[in-house]
Amino acid sequence: EVLLVESGGGLVQPGGSLRLSCEVSGFTFTNYEMHWVRQAPGKGLEWISFISSSGSTIYHTDSLKGRITISRDNARNSMYLQMNSLRVEDTGLYYCAREVDISLEGVSGPEGALDLWGQGTMVTVSS
Amino acid sequence: SYELTQPPSVSVSPGQTAKITCSGDALPRQYAHWYQQKPGQAPVLIIYKDHERPSGIPERFSGSTSGTIVTLTISGVQAEDEADYYCQSADSSGVYRVFGGGTKVTVL
Repeated sequence: EVLLVESGGGLVQPGGSLRLSCEVSGFTFTNYEMHWVRQAPGKGLEWISFISSSGSTIYHTDSLKGRITISRDNARNSMYLQMNSLRVEDTGLYYCAREVDISLEGVSGPEGALDLWGQGTMVTVSS
Repeated sequence: SYELTQPPSVSVSPGQTAKITCSGDALPRQYAHWYQQKPGQAPVLIIYKDHERPSGIPERFSGSTSGTIVTLTISGVQAEDEADYYCQSADSSGVYRVFGGGTKVTVL
């Protein structure tokens, strides 16, 4: 079964830190680029970060630059999001999602789209 | 920062057609994708590269594009199509992804 499973969320005080994890199974992790997307309670989706299949290219949304770091461990089929200096407005459900890396030979799929998502991990920032 | 604009809500009777628009300046140069999200569930990709449909997605879902506007069409709407729908694309550089604000589809 193809799965993405997020973990690491929880209740944290403002100014605190969390490290979110996304563990995948059922597909070749190294064929996929990965994203983090968050959703505040009752609000829409917000893209926050990208990492290439090799881990060599990283992008973060401007609004969170300096406070987040994305990484991956291809040997462990896992991706991470380190979040620092957390604020109340960071509260939300954090999803990981995959995007096929069509630049790789022999790999095909829905180019540019996030074709599979995890169920999310909840982050609550509150005093 | 780059934005995609969607109508907040669309209401449609069963069996009728629902159209959801998404506008953005970079859409003539960047593909758009559409996701369906039902309450308490993760988003599901329903249209990619403006009009392509992943396997397993019903044919009643289709996508089209015209200039700076992309459109998701749901033909013959069913009660199970009641959900939030999001368009997604990238800015003109192709680096930063962006989601539209979402459209709530209500089946009357």
